[in-house]
Amino acid sequence: GEDVEQSLFLSVREGDSSVINCTYTDSSSTYLYWYKQEPGAGLQLLTYIFSNMDMKQDQRLTVLLNKKDKHLSLRIADTQTGDSAIYFCAESLSGYSTLTFGKGTMLLVSP
Amino acid sequence: EAGVVQSPRYKIIEKKQPVAFWCNPISGHNTLYWYLQNLGQGPELLIRYENEEAVDDSQLPKDRFSAERLKGVDSTLKIQPAELGDSAVYLCASSTGTSNSPLHFGNGTRLTVT
Repeated sequence: GEDVEQSLFLSVREGDSSVINCTYTDSSSTYLYWYKQEPGAGLQLLTYIFSNMDMKQDQRLTVLLNKKDKHLSLRIADTQTGDSAIYFCAESLSGYSTLTFGKGTMLLVSP
Repeated sequence: EAGVVQSPRYKIIEKKQPVAFWCNPISGHNTLYWYLQNLGQGPELLIRYENEEAVDDSQLPKDRFSAERLKGVDSTLKIQPAELGDSAVYLCASSTGTSNSPLHFGNGTRLTVT
């Protein structure tokens, strides 16, 4: 079955790097996504990676995928207070567009 | 482009009352999703539409929940009657429907059942 797990909470200081981790169980996952949710808002797509890639970089965001260990991480460089939010990892399976989400990691950035 | 639009943003009702949520997806997005997000949890799929057809409604509690997307564009999700445990955020999302197309979410409707 599908299961996506994340650590629940991360606290960093402004200017530091943040690393949010995610593990998934379904080896047939084809795309893995990171979404950001600010209070009272919907989910905003940050980035995604295809399962045949190891890394994807997009400005301050770096996604690393270890397919052997089914481990996904999101690194945010130079973390800002505006990055404080809940970050969700999600997977989609081959041929399906429905996403399965983790429970989210709350990132708190202090000045 | 305009994003996914949901209304209302907030709804407070008494238990046993009916309630309906509305969603307008991004233009050209054939696939529409309703997700349920409980407090402190990730979104969970309720139903997925491909155009006007519900292709995955296995997680929709059909005794009290119903949904429709009559013309393959807008969609409504209804609960009748509402229960206390239905208090949550109801998120609508849309996509082009291919396996590599990301979902775009609306801001959700926060339902409180008293």
